[in-house]
Amino acid sequence: GQNIDQPTEMTATEGAIVQINCTYQTSGFNGLFWYQQHAGEAPTFLSYNVLDGLEEKGRFSSFLSRSKGYSYLLLKELQMKDSASYLCAVRGFYNQGGKLIFGQGTELSVKP
Amino acid sequence: EAQVTQNPRYLITVTGKKLTVTCSQNMNHEYMSWYRQDPGLGLRQIYYSMNVEVTDKGDVPEGYKVSRKEKRNFPLILESPSPNQTSLYFCASSHRGRNNSPLHFGNGTRLTVT
Repeated sequence: GQNIDQPTEMTATEGAIVQINCTYQTSGFNGLFWYQQHAGEAPTFLSYNVLDGLEEKGRFSSFLSRSKGYSYLLLKELQMKDSASYLCAVRGFYNQGGKLIFGQGTELSVKP
Repeated sequence: EAQVTQNPRYLITVTGKKLTVTCSQNMNHEYMSWYRQDPGLGLRQIYYSMNVEVTDKGDVPEGYKVSRKEKRNFPLILESPSPNQTSLYFCASSHRGRNNSPLHFGNGTRLTVT
């Protein structure tokens, strides 16, 4: 089967650091994506990992361990506008059209 | 501006009245897909297309049809909508064959079927 797990909700304080975890079990792996989605809006692309290690992009970083089926998204210097849902997605086999399989998302609330 | 455009943004209809949600992309992407998003269930793929005249079922295709007559357009058709198709729908596109090519999403269509 295919399964992607993320915590449902997290709360953090403005200016702090938060780590959102994602574990996956999929029949194929061609990379892992993180998306940000504000309520009622389209998901927007944040990061892509295909090799083990950390990818840093400004205040956001994403980590991947393929052997553990594990990734996390690290958000630094949190701002109120970072309150959103964060979606972890795995790209499957090419013969499935390179389909992205999404987790249910982690709702992050940033408090003052 | 590179974008995926879907219309309408909001749609309220009645059971059984055929409707079409349009989707168009201007990035010359080969791959296009429709998702629905429901609370507690996340994004689920309805149909996808890997190129013109090539479409295939996703995870929840029942009650939906699609067509891909042109590369840029990928309409979603509900022949006889039912209340369980009330949902938030997203069209998305990406390059085919490039693993690092992210899906680009349209702004969504919120459909209510009464």
